[in-house]
Amino acid sequence: EAGVAQSPRYKIIEKRQSVAFWCNPISGHATLYWYQQILGQGPKLLIQFQNNGVVDDSQLPKDRFSAERLKGVDSTLKIQPAKLEDSAVYLCASSSSWGASTDTQYFGPGTRLTVL
Amino acid sequence: GESVGLHLPTLSVQEGDNSIINCAYSNSASDYFIWYKQESGKGPQFIIDIRSNMDKRQGQRVTVLLNKTVKHLSLQIAATQPGDSAVYFCAERNQGGKLIFGQGTELSVKP
Repeated sequence: EAGVAQSPRYKIIEKRQSVAFWCNPISGHATLYWYQQILGQGPKLLIQFQNNGVVDDSQLPKDRFSAERLKGVDSTLKIQPAKLEDSAVYLCASSSSWGASTDTQYFGPGTRLTVL
Repeated sequence: GESVGLHLPTLSVQEGDNSIINCAYSNSASDYFIWYKQESGKGPQFIIDIRSNMDKRQGQRVTVLLNKTVKHLSLQIAATQPGDSAVYFCAERNQGGKLIFGQGTELSVKP
C-alpha cells in the first residue's frame, strides 16, 4: 500500500513570497490533515478535512494560510504571504475515518519550508 | 488548555539495554494515547496506542504503560537497537478527535 505522498520535499523562499504544498493521501482515506512542525516541537494541527469538507481549521492562520481538497482526494496548502516564523516542516496525514478511537493517522514525509 | 509534554528531551542508551521514555498529559478526559517515532527527514510513524480503559499494552519489543492517576504515559523499548534512534512523541486524542502532540524525546543508541 502506497503511503502519503507530499511535494515538494524542500522549499526555500523569501518573506512575503507565496508557496504551495501538495499532498496525496493513502487511497481510500476520507480524512486528511495538515500539520505544522516547528523545529524541536511536536506537530500542530492546522486543518482537518473529511472528504472535501473542513472539519477543523481553528488553528489555521486564515489571514495568510489557505487549504483546499476540492475532489476529496488530493489537497493543497498555501501560504501567502510567507513570514519568517512560517519556517517549519509541513506534514500531511490521512486516516480512513474520523472520530473512531482506532483511527490511526499515517503521515507523509513532510515539506521543509525555509523562509529567508 | 491541553498540553502533552515529555519529562526528558534527550535519552542516551547502550545498544541492547532497555529504554524508557516518559510523557505527562494534562487532559484527564482524553481517552486514547499514541506513541509516534520520527526519524530524521521523515514523518511520524505510528508505534503503539492505548485506550484509557487499559493500563498496559504490548507490541513487538515495545510496551506502553498508562497511569491515569498521575496522568503519565511511558514507552518501553526492549533490547534497544541502533535503528531505534529517533525522536519519540506521545500524543493524546481529545474529545474532538484532535491529536495533541508532546514536545518529543530524542533517543540516541550507542553501539
